[in-house]
Amino acid sequence: DTEVTQTPKHLVMGMTNKKSLKCEQHMGHRAMYWYKQKAKKPPELMFVYSYEKLSINESVPSRFSPECPNSSLLNLHLHALQPEDSALYLCASSPALGFREQYFGPGTRLTVT
Amino acid sequence: QQQVKQSPQSLIVQKGGISIINCAYENTAFDYFPWYQQFPGKGPALLIAIRPDVSEKKEGRFTISFNKSAKQFSLHIMDSQPGDSATYFCAASNLGEYGNKLVFGAGTILRVKS
Repeated sequence: DTEVTQTPKHLVMGMTNKKSLKCEQHMGHRAMYWYKQKAKKPPELMFVYSYEKLSINESVPSRFSPECPNSSLLNLHLHALQPEDSALYLCASSPALGFREQYFGPGTRLTVT
Repeated sequence: QQQVKQSPQSLIVQKGGISIINCAYENTAFDYFPWYQQFPGKGPALLIAIRPDVSEKKEGRFTISFNKSAKQFSLHIMDSQPGDSATYFCAASNLGEYGNKLVFGAGTILRVKS
């Protein structure tokens, strides 16, 4: 299995809702990443997990809360989002933090109404 | 210092032609330079990558040329096909305080006309 999977594919949520995005990989990778990508822009790093511990937080607002319950799973909990948070949320993984190749999932298209 | 500048913003190439996308960086600590290909509604896919100790790397129709002294690198797509129509991102990283943080260029939208 050489895939990073993400669910759901699409998500529409109101500003008062709480929802979660899920990312899974079964490649034995120990580094996992969350990126945010606005339309016609490059991905922007949000969080990095290494061996299930948060390694990097790129000053992301607290309405985004990451969680890494085990080495295969990465969640992003969303609460009280703003319309400007609408974007494609991408998960990526790499064998470890010192390995350069990052493999991206297909993303979750999030719309905040 | 963390920027990667990419050009052109968009590119139209005839089928069978050569597509060339250029990137420039400032931070000499960068030591890994990948190119990603992204189709609409999909995540970026790693296409090819190079380290600064090599001046060129070729994989099939895709070639990276790297000029360390000029701090520039480019992607050449030979015999471009309509299926190559996508957005291409260059990126750079190092393993300093940012771990394996990828710094992306702004992207190039490639359209190959059949």
